[in-house]
Amino acid sequence: DQQVKQNSPSLSVQEGRISILNCDYTNSMFDYFLWYKKYPAEGPTFLISISSIKDKNEDGRFTVFLNKSAKHLSLHIVPSQPGDSAVYFCAASGQGAQKLVFGQGTRLTINP
Amino acid sequence: DTEVTQTPKHLVMGMTNKKSLKCEQHMGHRAMYWYKQKAKKPPELMFVYSYEKLSINESVPSRFSPECPNSSLLNLHLHALQPEDSALYLCASSRSSQGPGLTDTQYFGPGTRLTVL
Repeated sequence: DQQVKQNSPSLSVQEGRISILNCDYTNSMFDYFLWYKKYPAEGPTFLISISSIKDKNEDGRFTVFLNKSAKHLSLHIVPSQPGDSAVYFCAASGQGAQKLVFGQGTRLTINP
Repeated sequence: DTEVTQTPKHLVMGMTNKKSLKCEQHMGHRAMYWYKQKAKKPPELMFVYSYEKLSINESVPSRFSPECPNSSLLNLHLHALQPEDSALYLCASSRSSQGPGLTDTQYFGPGTRLTVL
């Protein structure tokens, strides 16, 4: 049972445009959500997180939106840059638990 | 500084070998984690240490043996591995803020690429 889903395996966006990555979850006990960026053969790099008491969190070019009623979150990157090309993982945890549940990842490619 | 270091970067071992992976952090984090990641898959949790005590073991085979000598170090001892154990092994750490409503971000190291022949 996949509790965190990223339904788009890949996404291609033109440089300078907005990239929108989506993530859905099924477990209503999740209350903390994170996005990680991963280059090949490297560890995931933490990007941005959001607690369930908020519906938006912004950090520079990155904004995460949380829709609790739809159990959906999204990561917006604007403007997109070539260095943003990587695999993006959505992850969730609940009730202060230490276990992170990851989505399958979305490969983002930024085209010049 | 959010750096987690892992050594070695690459490791090739035979099925009868004994080897160890090492992980270190100096952020004062009190929780440390081992994950396994296969190609094109998300990281899978293996073990969690909280305040130097093993708090989660995700039913990992005994050929993987974790050890936390102190709050900054985490080892993963490997013995009699199988070829299907070949993967990227990731270490992570976090402050270990626990409880409802508290958030705890995990920071990952670069990983050890393990190949079992």
